[in-house]
Amino acid sequence: DADVTQTPRNRITKTGKRIMLECSQTKGHDRMYWYRQDPGLGLQLIYYSFDVKDINKGEISDGYSVSRQAQAKFSLSLESAIPNQTALYFCATRRRGSRTQYFGPGTRLLVL
Amino acid sequence: GIQVEQSPPDLILQEGANSTLRCNFSDSVNNLQWFHQNPWGQLINLFYIPSGTKQNGRLSATTVATERYSLLYISSSQTTDSGVYFCAVYRNSGNTPLVFGKGTRLSVIA
Repeated sequence: DADVTQTPRNRITKTGKRIMLECSQTKGHDRMYWYRQDPGLGLQLIYYSFDVKDINKGEISDGYSVSRQAQAKFSLSLESAIPNQTALYFCATRRRGSRTQYFGPGTRLLVL
Repeated sequence: GIQVEQSPPDLILQEGANSTLRCNFSDSVNNLQWFHQNPWGQLINLFYIPSGTKQNGRLSATTVATERYSLLYISSSQTTDSGVYFCAVYRNSGNTPLVFGKGTRLSVIA
């Protein structure tokens, strides 16, 4: 969905490095989410935010942190990347009162 | 937490064939979405279907919430239908995030 953008789209990094993945949306949605998809598996929730001051951990938050800089921006950081964090990362948004989530194009991350 | 199971895990079809994908969930839900992940990794919303039946072209979906399952029908399959199909649900309480199944990988062969 072009209204939800993620940068970078692809990233290669080394073990121990700190990296940030960014998500921006123009849909005006208050809720934003970060998911991780491992090869051959479904999506798992890392963190989610219902507004700028409301951040919640998901199923697999260890090793990650987030920042909701504004309603339209939600960043995911890997404090010290490790190889098993190699995955496809998705950002998603949802408007309060709606049950439909909209996903960004994903960021492919490779940790060497 | 809620469990979401999809079947079959893999499916290979000849172009033009029909198929049914199933999603079972372990608890009451107040929403269910079907997504298609294309071979480039992009996730595309197919249906928001907490109950009942919806149709969109060659695709249709039915959710029977009381029996905790949903079905996605693909008719006259095309090679562009290939990819992974996910169902995802919200629990029937509070502001809970989506829980995804592991998906059905569909390959349509010309």
